[in-house]
Amino acid sequence: EAQVTQNPRYLITVTGKKLTVTCSQNMNHEYMSWYRQDPGLGLRQIYYSMNVEVTDKGDVPEGYKVSRKEKRNFPLILESPSPNQTSLYFCASSYERGSYEQYFGPGTRLTVT
Amino acid sequence: KQEVTQIPAALSVPEGENLVLNCSFTDSAIYNLQWFRQDPGKGLTSLLLIQSSQREQTSGRLNASLDKSSGRSTLYIAASQPGDSATYLCAVYSGGFKTIFGAGTRLFVKA
Repeated sequence: EAQVTQNPRYLITVTGKKLTVTCSQNMNHEYMSWYRQDPGLGLRQIYYSMNVEVTDKGDVPEGYKVSRKEKRNFPLILESPSPNQTSLYFCASSYERGSYEQYFGPGTRLTVT
Repeated sequence: KQEVTQIPAALSVPEGENLVLNCSFTDSAIYNLQWFRQDPGKGLTSLLLIQSSQREQTSGRLNASLDKSSGRSTLYIAASQPGDSATYLCAVYSGGFKTIFGAGTRLFVKA
């Protein structure tokens, strides 16, 4: 089954404790992206990757890091989480050409206390 | 900079009613526009994608149209059902690997 998976689905952590949210897709998509969703603000793009070893900032990259060492994986790293990073996070992927239709993961709900 | 607006922000209708959700965007140079459904606290389910060269797409009771020149898209839901209750999001891809989402329309269909 074609899908985007994220882990963990739920995470409660404390300020300053490094964490990684994993994202994996099995569709051989070149493009992957991370979004955060906050009430009243909608989904905002954090980082995206056009292919292996190629990443760029979205609209809200501060406090986040990403890496793309394999085509299927695109982890999101919070090296020193803060309460304002409490949010619902989504990973997405698509082909880099054609319709650019995006496929989304199930989301990760992060709470930073 | 592309901006995407969805009106109304919330909508409550009786079951069986036909309804239209609106999405407007400021820059007409887009590659595609995608409509999603999101249930509370859940992920995004893709409903319809319209490429820039297309005028509309249909899937079951859903029909999405696109008018690039006016910067507008509509999602038409026929014969609404309580199971249609959700938040509907539109997303515009303008190239450069950046996607801009609207804030969504929260729909409630009363039985």
